[in-house]
Amino acid sequence: DIQVTQSPSSLSASVGDSVTITCRASQSIRTNLNWYQQKPGKAPNLLISDASSLVGGVPSRFSGSGSGTDFTLTISSLQPEDFATYYCQHSYIMPITFGQGTRLEIK
Amino acid sequence: EVQLVESGGGLIQPGGSLRLSCAGSGFSFNNYVLNWVRQAPGKGLEWVASIGDSGGTTYYGNSVKGRFAISRDNSKNTLFLQMDSLRAEDTALYFCAKSRSTNQADKNFDYWGQGTLVTVSS
Repeated sequence: DIQVTQSPSSLSASVGDSVTITCRASQSIRTNLNWYQQKPGKAPNLLISDASSLVGGVPSRFSGSGSGTDFTLTISSLQPEDFATYYCQHSYIMPITFGQGTRLEIK
Repeated sequence: EVQLVESGGGLIQPGGSLRLSCAGSGFSFNNYVLNWVRQAPGKGLEWVASIGDSGGTTYYGNSVKGRFAISRDNSKNTLFLQMDSLRAEDTALYFCAKSRSTNQADKNFDYWGQGTLVTVSS
């Protein structure tokens, strides 16, 4: 099975900061990597598909990049509503796996 | 508006069975791959199972293979998850999720329900 390892597991930042979250796959998954945001008590929300395609309605301060085994999610100019937990997920082959999550907290 | 509404969760003893349902609306239910994803309390997301649009193709995560069965009734716009031989480690909030496109290989989940809680405990 393909494993995806996310880092860091938690992150503190201030409104206006820029942050980067990393996801590494155990083997090449081309660009089959998605990013989700989850707020407490809510279902996850798809932000970015296929490594870098922003889902409709998602603010442009979110961006994704990478291919092969290494991927990043960058949030520029953090807003109060961005403080949440972020998950990467590979969609290359079955079984699908998620990263462990990155909790983004307000400093 | 796309809606997915799960039901059927509850408290069940280890070794027991439970059947979850997910009612879909606001989209062409029979054209999309559907999925179950779970989240143990305070933990991350774990993909559980997926089913193709006609129900003829199914996939399972390693931790549930042989114990859980995913199915669908397209005439009733409903997705199911039959869970047998339940264990304490199956305790989780179970979400149903719709794949983003009608491509049967699509594993991006664009709409999710709010989840139904399954607690396995004696």
